[in-house]
Amino acid sequence: LAKTTQPISMDSYEGQEVNITCSHNNIATNDYITWYQQFPSQGPRFIIQGYKTKVTNEVASLFIPADRKSSTLSLPRVSLSDTAVYYCLVGPSSFGNEKLTFGTGTRLTIIP
Amino acid sequence: GAVVSQHPSRVICKSGTSVKIECRSLDFQATTMFWYRQFPKQSLMLMATSNEGSKATYEQGVEKDKFLINHASLTLSTLTVTSAHPEDSSFYICSARAGQGAFGYTFGSGTRLTVV
Repeated sequence: LAKTTQPISMDSYEGQEVNITCSHNNIATNDYITWYQQFPSQGPRFIIQGYKTKVTNEVASLFIPADRKSSTLSLPRVSLSDTAVYYCLVGPSSFGNEKLTFGTGTRLTIIP
Repeated sequence: GAVVSQHPSRVICKSGTSVKIECRSLDFQATTMFWYRQFPKQSLMLMATSNEGSKATYEQGVEKDKFLINHASLTLSTLTVTSAHPEDSSFYICSARAGQGAFGYTFGSGTRLTVV
């Protein structure tokens, strides 16, 4: 899986839009970008996945520029419950039975 | 959706004893499961890949004789921490793949192990 780089931590106030950027300079042609969320003392949870341009679901949006060397997870109008660690992973869509390797992640803290 | 059940959620054991953690896939079969360890404020570190009916594959630096993995059925994998020591205290998480794509990976709720 391609190596990823994210900010270690971010703070934001409630109601703001939060954007977390992930760099993946060595992304391969068949790689997808996937984001997971992890709350304290819980396992990670899938948030969103994309290949190019923009993907949106009920939780977040994912913006991917044309060169795909980075991606931005956008969380609209965050609340306290969005305080968590967010991980960016890059790899083949199917992943096969390939093991998921997590980077450092971004610790997002929402301030009241 | 697919659920991975992990038990116990918390366990405290004395130094030198062994502890078993169970990971079950509910409503789906998992030929492969993964075990992770996570220390406070750190990322998940993959320990081993559990394969049904065969030996587990351990990551470099993980002692296979200390962390025994058994995947005897398509829905159950167990991790036994043998002769536990305080430095083994950590958060252990299992994962299984229920479907295609990255979203097919489902994680258990984790086990907080404290060795005293």
